Amino acid sequence: DIQMTQSPSSLSASVGDRVTITCRASQSIRNYLNWYQKKPGDAPKLLISTASSLQDGVPSRFSGSGSGTEFTLTISSLQPADFSTYYCQQAFGTPPTFGGGTKVEIK
Amino acid sequence: QVQLVESGGGVVQPGRSLRLSCAASGFTFSSQGMHWVRQAPGKGLEWVAVISSDGGNTHYGDSVKGRFSISRDNSKNTLSLEMNSLTPEDTAVYHCARDSTPFGDYVFDFWGQGTLVTVSS
Repeated sequence: DIQMTQSPSSLSASVGDRVTITCRASQSIRNYLNWYQKKPGDAPKLLISTASSLQDGVPSRFSGSGSGTEFTLTISSLQPADFSTYYCQQAFGTPPTFGGGTKVEIK
Repeated sequence: QVQLVESGGGVVQPGRSLRLSCAASGFTFSSQGMHWVRQAPGKGLEWVAVISSDGGNTHYGDSVKGRFSISRDNSKNTLSLEMNSLTPEDTAVYHCARDSTPFGDYVFDFWGQGTLVTVSS
């Protein structure tokens, strides 16, 4: 199975901060990388697919980049609604696998 | 709008069985692959199973292979997960999720809120 490693596992930030989350794959997954936002008790939400394609309705402050084994999710100016847990997921091989998550908390 | 509503969760003893359902609406159910993804308490997301749009192809995660069975009824817009020989390690919130393609290409574009399964004696 392809292992996905996210860093950091948690971070504290303030409204307006620029936040970057990294996801590394154990082998090349080309650009088959998706990012999700998950809040407690809520359904996960797809933010970005194929490494950099922003989903309809997702604010433009979210962006994704990378290919091969290293990927990043960037929030350009953190808003109150963005305090959540973020997961990367590879869609290159079966089984699809998720990173361990990055919890973004209020500083 | 797309809606996925899971049901069927509850408390079950180890070794017993449980059947989960997911009612879909707001899209052409028969055109999309569907998945089950779970999240154990305090843990991350784990993919469980996928079924293609016509039900002809299924795949399972290693931890549930041989015990769980995914199925769908396109006439009733319903996805199901039959879970047998349950163990405490199966305790989790189970989400159904829509795939962005008919074949199950592992892009989960819409999710339900989930149903909690607790395996305990």
